[in-house]
Amino acid sequence: QVQLVESGGGVVQPGRSLRLSCAASGSIFSSHGMHWVRQAPGKGLEWVAAIWYDGSNKYYADSVKGRFTISRDNSKNTLYLQMNSLRAEDTAVYYCARDGGMVATYIDYWGQGTLVTVSS
Amino acid sequence: QSVLTQPPSVTGAPGQRVTISCTGSSSNIGANYDVHWYQQLPGTAPKLLIYGNRNRPSGVPDRFSGSKSGTSASLAITGLQAEDEADYYCQSYDGSLSGYVVFGGGTKLTVL
Repeated sequence: QVQLVESGGGVVQPGRSLRLSCAASGSIFSSHGMHWVRQAPGKGLEWVAAIWYDGSNKYYADSVKGRFTISRDNSKNTLYLQMNSLRAEDTAVYYCARDGGMVATYIDYWGQGTLVTVSS
Repeated sequence: QSVLTQPPSVTGAPGQRVTISCTGSSSNIGANYDVHWYQQLPGTAPKLLIYGNRNRPSGVPDRFSGSKSGTSASLAITGLQAEDEADYYCQSYDGSLSGYVVFGGGTKLTVL
C-alpha cells in the first residue's frame, strides 16, 4: 500500500520561504520519479516540478522556475519542495505524487495534499 | 490557459454515455506522447483513471475507457452513475522548451 504524506504547509507572507516534505512508504521510493502538483482554490491541477528516480534530472513549470527547488533523499524516502520568493498566486493545495515509472510516465499515486497560503 | 484543452463541463443522465475531449498540439499529444486521465471527487486528491491512452488500473470499472487519435484524446464513460460526478483531467507530456508535464483545464461532470 503506497502512502504519500505531505507536511510543511501553512500561512506565509509574500516574499518569504517555505519547505514542503513528502514522506513515502509502501514501495521502493528510489525506483520512481516524483512530482509536485498544485491546485489553487476552485481551480484545476497545475504541474509544478518533477525529479527523476535518482535525482539526476529536475524539471519545473515556468511559473516557479528560479524560485522553487525540488529534491529527494532516497535514504529517507522523502521528497522536498523548497519554495522561495513566494507570491499570492502560489496559494494552493500542493500534492506530492509518484510517477508510475523511473522517469516520465503517468502519476499513479497522490498524497492528500498540504495547503500553502501566501498572504500578508 | 492550459496547454491541453478540455470542455469546462459535461452533463449526462444516469445510464447514459458521455465523452470528454482533450485537445493538444504537435508538441504534446501529436508528438506521440501518451495521454492519461484522472478523476477527482469533491474534496479529495486526484486518482488515476486511465493510463497510456487506454489502460485501466486495477479497480477502475470497465465503464471508463480512453482513446487517442492525432492531437486529441477522449475519455468515455458508459452507464453513467451518480458517483461518477467529479472533475476529470487529462495529462500528457510536452516536448517544447517550456513544457514537461501538462494537464488539461479539467471537466466537471454533472450527473442529472
